[in-house]
Amino acid sequence: DAGVTQSPTHLIKTRGQHVTLRCSPISGHKSVSWYQQVLGQGPQFIFQYYEKEERGRGNFPDRFSARQFPNYSSELNVNALLLGDSALYLCASSLGPQSSYNEQFFGPGTRLTVL
Amino acid sequence: DQQVKQNSPSLSVQEGRISILNCDYTNSMFDYFLWYKKYPAEGPTFLISISSIKDKNEDGRFTVFLNKSAKHLSLHIVPSQPGDSAVYFCAASNYGQNFVFGPGTRLSVLP
Repeated sequence: DAGVTQSPTHLIKTRGQHVTLRCSPISGHKSVSWYQQVLGQGPQFIFQYYEKEERGRGNFPDRFSARQFPNYSSELNVNALLLGDSALYLCASSLGPQSSYNEQFFGPGTRLTVL
Repeated sequence: DQQVKQNSPSLSVQEGRISILNCDYTNSMFDYFLWYKKYPAEGPTFLISISSIKDKNEDGRFTVFLNKSAKHLSLHIVPSQPGDSAVYFCAASNYGQNFVFGPGTRLSVLP
């Protein structure tokens, strides 16, 4: 069975541009969470979606947005990119919402570099 | 303000010996704690968790200890194996919401 998949693997953008990152959860999982991991730090929670509804949001500016599709895949969008947005973006899927203490399974991440 | 701290950026241990990774937290509302392991070019992998109603949880070579009064938890790996070499993240949550991760500790197990 396939694990969590993310695309693209790597991405290079320039300041001010927009980026869309994609995530496909494990089959049967209805919850997707997004994390940002800056070099030397742990993953930082951005969003959680469950059954296509936003269930949680971390301390990120409105330039960050996400959505979940009927097939439970998800997109993370970042507008007006800044140099500080350069990071590894991780997607995690779980059976249910985080509030049910479900184990999260992480994808390999998308490495975003903003020049 | 870091709510979850891992004050040792790195740790080296001889194969077969015990590895002890430490984690401190500041938010007394955290009630669920997890450890993840991360290899290069892969996402974090869940290792073991503990609820705040317990002080110890064991799974094979991995044991997590929780000291709520000290707001401290530790992960013990016995015996350590070269394949355990990875970055270990401590994470905490409040009622399973919005996990907060520490900065990680890089463990090197030397053969």
